[in-house]
Amino acid sequence: AAGVIQSPRHLIKEKRETATLKCYPIPRHDTVYWYQQGPGQDPQFLISFYEKMQSDKGSIPDRFSAQQFSDYHSELNMSSLELGDSALYFCASSFTAGGPSAETQYFGPGTRLLVL
Amino acid sequence: AQSVTQLGSHVSVSEGALVLLRCNYSSSVPPYLFWYVQYPNQGLQLLLKYTSAATLVKGINGFEAEFKKSETSFHLTKPSAHMSDAAEYFCAVSGGRDTGRRALTFGSGTRLQVQP
Repeated sequence: AAGVIQSPRHLIKEKRETATLKCYPIPRHDTVYWYQQGPGQDPQFLISFYEKMQSDKGSIPDRFSAQQFSDYHSELNMSSLELGDSALYFCASSFTAGGPSAETQYFGPGTRLLVL
Repeated sequence: AQSVTQLGSHVSVSEGALVLLRCNYSSSVPPYLFWYVQYPNQGLQLLLKYTSAATLVKGINGFEAEFKKSETSFHLTKPSAHMSDAAEYFCAVSGGRDTGRRALTFGSGTRLQVQP
């Protein structure tokens, strides 16, 4: 079965640079979530989109922005990168219009970002 | 606000022994509860979920969990541990459809070690 695709899988950036992470949800899924997992930490919710509109916002820094496109893929844009942004960034998708199954989020393999 | 507390950051069991990973939740609304497993350098895989149906939930790989409202608990169990169960386990909660807050709040994780 098709899974959530994230690219790139690994990314190395310098401080103050920008980065763009991409997420391709499972086909027919209409909702995308972004999470950040620091070293040895639990995942923290950043932001989510439903039908291309922002549906919820968590602890996303102002330096970060995201959007969901007409094909439902999403991009997380990160500017003025800091050392503390080094983390694993997960994207998850769900089918919100699908009743109880909508509560299941399927996670991608993550993008590991290292800021030097 | 919702939160989960996982008791024990590390649990070690012998192969064939019972696995018990503890999770307590706090929620002002009926919660939706999840257990995810994370293998090293991989994404999060859903083990099982509780979305207000049966209180005893069976998941993949022989795991199950019981929702106990009186104890605000959702402990994960497996009768007989296998070496391949060694991983990080995360309990998570969401507000679900009733609140519109579907973002997951994770516990701090429990690392399960299985000794031969």
